[in-house]
Formats: sequence, structure tokens, C-alpha cells
Amino acid sequence: EAQVTQNPRYLITVTGKKLTVTCSQNMNHEYMSWYRQDPGLGLRQIYYSMNVEVTDKGDVPEGYKVSRKEKRNFPLILESPSPNQTSLYFCASSLIVSGIYNEQFFGPGTRLTVL
Amino acid sequence: AQSVSQHNHHVILSEAASLELGCNYSYGGTVNLFWYVQYPGQHLQLLLKYFSGDPLVKGIKGFEAEFIKSKFSFNLRKPSVQWSDTAEYFCAVNARGNNRLAFGKGNQVVVIP
Repeated sequence: EAQVTQNPRYLITVTGKKLTVTCSQNMNHEYMSWYRQDPGLGLRQIYYSMNVEVTDKGDVPEGYKVSRKEKRNFPLILESPSPNQTSLYFCASSLIVSGIYNEQFFGPGTRLTVL
Repeated sequence: AQSVSQHNHHVILSEAASLELGCNYSYGGTVNLFWYVQYPGQHLQLLLKYFSGDPLVKGIKGFEAEFIKSKFSFNLRKPSVQWSDTAEYFCAVNARGNNRLAFGKGNQVVVIP
């Protein structure tokens, strides 16, 4: 089954404790992205990756890191989480065909609470 | 930079009523346009998309959207909603040549049985 998986689905942590949220897709998509969803603000892009070893900042990259060492995986790293990073996080992937971005497939989300 | 506006963030309507959600974007070039739906507790799913061709596109579950280039709009419609259409709806825009997808703030739609 074609899908994007994220782990963990729920996480409660404390300020300053490094964490990683994993994302994996089995569709051989070039493009992967991380979003955060906050009430009244919609989805905001954190980072995206065009392909292996190619990453770039989105709209709200501060406090986050990513890596793309393999095509299927795109982990999101919070080196020193703060309470304002409490949010619902979605990973997504898509094909790029002739420079045109096709629909993005979303993971189930990770609800993060930073105390 | 591209931006997306969605108005009427909260919509409450009765079953069988018609639904129209507005989406406007700010980019003068060629765009790819999407509507996504997020049912309670679930992840985002694609409702429909427009890349080129007929500006009236039909999606799943009876939804359709019309691209009006002169108005920079891509409004979503459904003639008769059901209780199961209760969800949050997001418009998204990708400007050709840009590597990012910009989302609107969403419309929370509640359908009363």
C-alpha cells in the first residue's frame, strides 16, 4: 500500500530535550516536505527536499533541522524544543513530473507537546 | 512569494444546502491549484487539482472547483452537502518554477444533520 508513515504519532517532551520525528514514504517520490498545523494558521511549510542530499527552508524553519540521506526517509529534528513548537506536524511527499508538482501525499501526523 | 487567502473560516450549514468556499492567490504566473480535505482526526487528502485545460474540475465526493485566471481564484463548490462533509478544507497553490506549496488557513465546515 502506497503511504507516508510518521513516528511517533504522539509525543510529550520537555523544553530542551532533543527529539526526532521520522518520516518514510514507499512511493519513490523525489519531493518530501514537513509542515506544521496550528489553529487559525493552516499549514506552514518548515523544510522541503527535492531529492537526496537536497534540502531547503520553507516558511518557518527556525528551530528545526532535516536531513535526506535516503530517498524514502526525511526525518525532522528539533535540537532544543521549546513550547512554541507544540503543534501538529505532517510529513508529505510527491512526484515531480517535468517540473510540475503533483499532489502531495500526507502522513497521519505527529502531535507534539513541549512542556 | 505566493500567498493564498481563504475567507469565512467557519461555515455552518444544514444537510442538502449548497457549499461554496473561496480561494484567492497572489501570483501572476502559471500555477498548479489544489483543494485538500481533512476529516476530523485524519490527515489531509486530495479533493481535486488543476494543472491546465478545462477550468472546471471535478473531484471526489461530488466536489468541483472553477479556476478563474482573471480573478486569481479557485473556488470550491458542492451542490448538496452531507453530514459526512464536515471537515476542514484547504486550498493550496504551487507556482510553476517554485519548489513550494503554499496553503491557505483553511475553512472549518460543519454540516448539521
